[in-house]
Amino acid sequence: NAGVMQNPRHLVRRRGQEARLRCSPMKGHSHVYWYRQLPEEGLKFMVYLQKENIIDESGMPKERFSAEFPKEGPSILRIQQVVRGDSAAYFCASSLDGNYGYTFGSGTRLTVV
Amino acid sequence: GQQLNQSPQSMFIQEGEDVSMNCTSSSIFNTWLWYKQEPGEGPVLLIALYKAGELTSNGRLTAQFGITRKDSFLNISASIPSDVGIYFCAGQAQNAGGTSYGKLTFGQGTILTVHP
Repeated sequence: NAGVMQNPRHLVRRRGQEARLRCSPMKGHSHVYWYRQLPEEGLKFMVYLQKENIIDESGMPKERFSAEFPKEGPSILRIQQVVRGDSAAYFCASSLDGNYGYTFGSGTRLTVV
Repeated sequence: GQQLNQSPQSMFIQEGEDVSMNCTSSSIFNTWLWYKQEPGEGPVLLIALYKAGELTSNGRLTAQFGITRKDSFLNISASIPSDVGIYFCAGQAQNAGGTSYGKLTFGQGTILTVHP
């Protein structure tokens, strides 16, 4: 199955640590999107990347959050100095050209203790 | 920013009943999508709508893209227990060039419970 792969599925971090979330898009997909979902809420857009480029980061918090999608390897969402409010499910999605429905991964559930 | 209002928030129905949920927006969207999310998983695409007025079916599911491009509905006929989950609408905006742009705006979700 060549679906969108996210790891880890669950991540526990203490306040102040760094969290690194990885996403491998579907084969052939060069568009990657990251979304955050708080409990009992819909998904909120964070960032849209194409290979080596950030296309839209309008949903990213101004501090502590960064994302990259290098030429080789998975896309990484990095959260520095995590706080309890960062606890959420983070979903990655990929698409072939950005114009059609995405395929989502199963998410990474981040818990900050 | 763009917002989608999805209703109802939750539904409790008997197996075999039909279900209807809808989304409205103050903004125009180029594409409407309906997703289903089960516990611990990511959303799975059910139906994608690309043209105003389009009516599309996928098995027992039927969805329509409103003429004004500001609303959409999803119907599920003859519900079964495995229909349980959270259903989300999502809209994809149009960019200045007239094509769909990558970012999706999601509704708040409709929690569906089906009693056998």
